[in-house]
Amino acid sequence: GESVGLHLPTLSVQEGDNSIINCAYSNSASDYFIWYKQESGKGPQFIIDIRSNMDKRQGQRVTVLLNKTVKHLSLQIAATQPGDSAVYFCAETAHRGDKFYFGSGTKLNVKP
Amino acid sequence: KAGVTQTPRYLIKTRGQQVTLSCSPISGHRSVSWYQQTPGQGLQFLFEYFSETQRNKGNFPGRFSGRQFSNSRSEMNVSTLELGDSALYLCASSLVGARTLGETGELFFGEGSRLTVL
Repeated sequence: GESVGLHLPTLSVQEGDNSIINCAYSNSASDYFIWYKQESGKGPQFIIDIRSNMDKRQGQRVTVLLNKTVKHLSLQIAATQPGDSAVYFCAETAHRGDKFYFGSGTKLNVKP
Repeated sequence: KAGVTQTPRYLIKTRGQQVTLSCSPISGHRSVSWYQQTPGQGLQFLFEYFSETQRNKGNFPGRFSGRQFSNSRSEMNVSTLELGDSALYLCASSLVGARTLGETGELFFGEGSRLTVL
């Protein structure tokens, strides 16, 4: 089946720096991607999404980049804050949202 | 508007027992998905229900089952529990309805039910 993975299991950054979290996916039919943030003891929370007809989408302090050629997704967080410390998951679906595959997660540590 | 509610939040069972977990989706959401989260395997898809019908199923043994009621609330059941079933079970609801082109929907997750099997 589909597989979604992450290049870095743990990322440590200094407060105020920019963070980049990467994700690779294997299903070229995937048409919708989401980044989720999961804080300790909580369920995943939606951060930003992107459809396959786009290659970039910006939110507040976050940007998602999609490179369909190499099946790569990245999440950029500007001016990283201590509250950004969490595990970040990418998720992809090729079935219009009724079945998502999640990456293994990257833990982001923000050092004050 | 209330979020996704899962009960119970924590529970401890012993091997061989069975467990039922409950999920109330966001009002108006008709799709409910279940995921198992473990440190070693990450988030793995269990099944998804829409309008009381199971639309998709992940690669889990038949001991894992679920159902959805007419009010969209969902339950999942695990029978003959094994130690490896210890995990955080997450429920997510979505507005996704019929598979209309361009209709995608984010998943809204609950806080999860943490199951420990002794």
